[in-house]
Amino acid sequence: EVQLVESGGDLVQPGGSLRLSCAASGFTFSNFWMGWVRQAPGKGLEWVANIMPDGSAQYYVDSVKGRFTISRDSAKRSLDLQMNSLRVEDTAVYYCARIGIAAAGDFDYWGQGTLVTVSS
Amino acid sequence: DIQMTQSPSTLSASVGDRVTITCRASQSISPWLAWYQQKPGKAPKLLIYKASNLEGGVPSRFSGSGSGTEFSLTISSLQSDDSATYYCQQYSRYPITFGQGTRLDIK
Repeated sequence: EVQLVESGGDLVQPGGSLRLSCAASGFTFSNFWMGWVRQAPGKGLEWVANIMPDGSAQYYVDSVKGRFTISRDSAKRSLDLQMNSLRVEDTAVYYCARIGIAAAGDFDYWGQGTLVTVSS
Repeated sequence: DIQMTQSPSTLSASVGDRVTITCRASQSISPWLAWYQQKPGKAPKLLIYKASNLEGGVPSRFSGSGSGTEFSLTISSLQSDDSATYYCQQYSRYPITFGQGTRLDIK
């Protein structure tokens, strides 16, 4: 059974940093693109970042470029999101998600989400 | 960026009704469109990928169609469990973008 379990969400002050992690199990992690999608309270879904199976390429939404870094560790079967220079508008539930085997971009499995609150 | 516009934003229908949600892209994205269902407090669930392909385990009452810039999600016979918010997503090019969502209520 595919499982994605996020951790690391917390309350942080504007300008602060936070690192989210996602533990993957039930599939060959090193074969799949992975990504992060966020959802601000009461709002819709916003894609944040994707990473290739071998970690050699990453893609970001413009609003987080230069502040967020997506990475992965195949040995630990983990996906991370390092978030720096956090802003109030980064407040959201962050979901870790697997991209389908065709590597096209649809997210076929999602974690339960972890809440990041940026507030003073 | 490719803008995704869903209609309607909210929808109320009765059990057994046929329901259609539309998603329009600001440029051609065929066939790179997915549909998701999200219930309150839960993660989204993939229903349809590549515009018309049913994800495994998803009931056959759900179907997707469309091409170019116009796509639709149809529920052939609405069930009470289908009460949720539905999102379309384009993955033709980066940045990946989602529609604003359609909330479906059961009368």
